Amino acid sequence: KNEVEQSPQNLTAQEGEFITINCSYSVGISALHWLQQHPGGGIVSLFMLSSGKKKHGRLIATINIQEKHSSLHITASHPRDSAVYICAVSSPGGGADGLTFGKGTHLIIQP
Amino acid sequence: NAGVTQTPKFQVLKTGQSMTLQCAQDMNHEYMSWYRQDPGMGLRLIHYSVGAGITDQGEVPNGYNVSRSTTEDFPLRLLSAAPSQTSVYFCASSWDRGPREQYFGPGTRLTVT
Repeated sequence: KNEVEQSPQNLTAQEGEFITINCSYSVGISALHWLQQHPGGGIVSLFMLSSGKKKHGRLIATINIQEKHSSLHITASHPRDSAVYICAVSSPGGGADGLTFGKGTHLIIQP
Repeated sequence: NAGVTQTPKFQVLKTGQSMTLQCAQDMNHEYMSWYRQDPGMGLRLIHYSVGAGITDQGEVPNGYNVSRSTTEDFPLRLLSAAPSQTSVYFCASSWDRGPREQYFGPGTRLTVT
C-alpha cells in the first residue's frame, strides 16, 4: 500500500507570500492529485499530473517521478486560498482500488 | 450538470439504527466510490464500483453495503450503526477505472450516538 506524506501539516502565512506544500509517496504511481477542501465544504480537484508541471492561475503543481515527490505552489497568496490541501495518488493498476490520500495541509492566509 | 450529489447533508443516528446515504452523478461516469474522512487521517476508501452491477470492497468496508443498479446511483448502506462510524462521508466519481480526475460530492456528516 502506498504511503503518502504531506508537509507541513499546518501553515500560516501573510497575504502575498509564496506558498509551497510538499507531498511524497512510497511506491510508483500512475497519477498524483492535488485537491482543495474549504472548511465545512466539499472537495475540489485542482490538478492531476503524472509528469512535469501544470499551472492554473496562481497555482502551480510539479512532480518528480524519480524522487516520488510533488509540490503545490501558490503565488501571491490570498485569504481566499485558506483551505486544506490534500495530496492523493492513483495506483499503477489504475483507479480500481481508489486513491490513497495524505492527511492534508491546513493553510491559513492572514490579511 | 449537477455533478455529484449526496443526501442527506447531516444525519444523527442512534447505535443500531440503519440508514442509506444517497449518491448520484449525472456525468455518465463508470467509476464511483465512497470514502470516509476522520480527523487526523486521510480519506479512506470504503467501497467502489467500476460500472453498473459491479462493486468491490475498499480499505474499510466492514459495517457498510453498496449496490450499483444504475450508472447514476451508488447508495451506501449502514446496516447497524456504531459510534465508530461517526465520520464525514464523501462520494466520488470519475470517467473510468484509470487515473482520471475525481469529482466529489459535498459530503454527508454522520453522527452516531
